[in-house]
Amino acid sequence: DGGITQSPKYLFRKEGQNVTLSCEQNLNHDAMYWYRQDPGQGLRLIYYSQIVNDFQKGDIAEGYSVSREKKESFPLTVTSAQKNPTAFYLCASSPYFSSYEQYFGPGTRLTVT
Amino acid sequence: DQQVKQNSPSLSVQEGRISILNCDYTNSMFDYFLWYKKYPAEGPTFLISISSIKDKNEDGRFTVFLNKSAKHLSLHIVPSQPGDSAVYFCAASAQTGANNLFFGTGTRLTVIP
Repeated sequence: DGGITQSPKYLFRKEGQNVTLSCEQNLNHDAMYWYRQDPGQGLRLIYYSQIVNDFQKGDIAEGYSVSREKKESFPLTVTSAQKNPTAFYLCASSPYFSSYEQYFGPGTRLTVT
Repeated sequence: DQQVKQNSPSLSVQEGRISILNCDYTNSMFDYFLWYKKYPAEGPTFLISISSIKDKNEDGRFTVFLNKSAKHLSLHIVPSQPGDSAVYFCAASAQTGANNLFFGTGTRLTVIP
């Protein structure tokens, strides 16, 4: 059945290391998004991609990078430049960029020590 | 600057009673509003939405009310069930284009059996 998968569910890294979070969707959606959630805060947009080989910065893109080489995949790299990388990361997709409704994956909790 | 606010971090309601979750926004250009439900360690799931041309939208036990003059929307759940216990996020968009989806900070609803 269709959906969005994120792996792993929990990820631990040492400070100074880059880490890549996986996001795959088999919904045939054009648009994909990465959000970050911190305690007591709403979801904040990191990067989004309207279509393959295209992506744009969101509100908090500093210290992150993405790629969109395939329609179904939108990996997020948290670089060592990200000051506070410990957070819950959510990937989402929508049928096309102008869709209001987004479908979310289960999330990855990243802990950096 | 939080453009979408959920001022109640938590709400407890008895099973069978009505749950009312509130959301306020500041941007008068928002024209579409959504509610998402999130269980622990899972991604948010879309619940119900409303366009700014309406003031009410119902879907089963869930009804969303929009008061544009007050820049306020609310989600009513009647009757509340223990399975409704989750965090509820409201979100708003100013235009077609989901890169402009702004999320509130969430309200944790607990339905007491």
